[in-house]
Amino acid sequence: TQLLEQSPQFLSIQEGENLTVYCNSSSVFSSLQWYRQEPGEGPVLLVTVVTGGEVKKLKRLTFQFGDARKDSSLHITAAQPGDTGLYLCAGAYSGGSNYKLTFGKGTLLTVNP
Amino acid sequence: DAGITQSPRHKVTETGTPVTLRCHQTENHRYMYWYRQDPGHGLRLIHYSYGVKDTDKGEVSDGYSVSRSKTEDFLLTLESATSSQTSVYFCAITGDQETQYFGPGTRLLVL
Repeated sequence: TQLLEQSPQFLSIQEGENLTVYCNSSSVFSSLQWYRQEPGEGPVLLVTVVTGGEVKKLKRLTFQFGDARKDSSLHITAAQPGDTGLYLCAGAYSGGSNYKLTFGKGTLLTVNP
Repeated sequence: DAGITQSPRHKVTETGTPVTLRCHQTENHRYMYWYRQDPGHGLRLIHYSYGVKDTDKGEVSDGYSVSRSKTEDFLLTLESATSSQTSVYFCAITGDQETQYFGPGTRLLVL
């Protein structure tokens, strides 16, 4: 069973601060997704990265895929209360079924005004 | 919007009773999934389907069965509900680049 380690598990910061969430594995991903989930709702896709070293930006969110495709990070600049939520990473593994994902346990982010 | 609905959205049931959750999609996607989400465990795959009448087990399939008699519907059945199956259940489909799109979830309480 492949594991995806996500850290930190909880993060509480003040509005305007920067933060980084990490997602790591010993296995190589064929692709990795980041999701955001709000209470009472399903996860919503933020981004998919597929190429080693790839960097994608979504407004104040920057996503990076490691060169070896084993890790990824999500950086939020100048966090706002609207960024509060559960952030999940999920990976599809090379060599496995490309239509099954393994999820990290999530990072619960709280941005205080 | 991936056109995924789940029913019911909330359910309370008693231990030992059978429960069926329904996932309906309007996008004609081949792959459909059932997950459960619990504090400290994240999202765990229960079963998935890769076509009509084609299903396979995920990592936490014990006590659950599924059926897919048509492309748009994927049913999850708890054969005899237990308190350990109290959870939030999500259905998902696969889009481009192996990404998955999720339904709104079903909150199940087994008393």
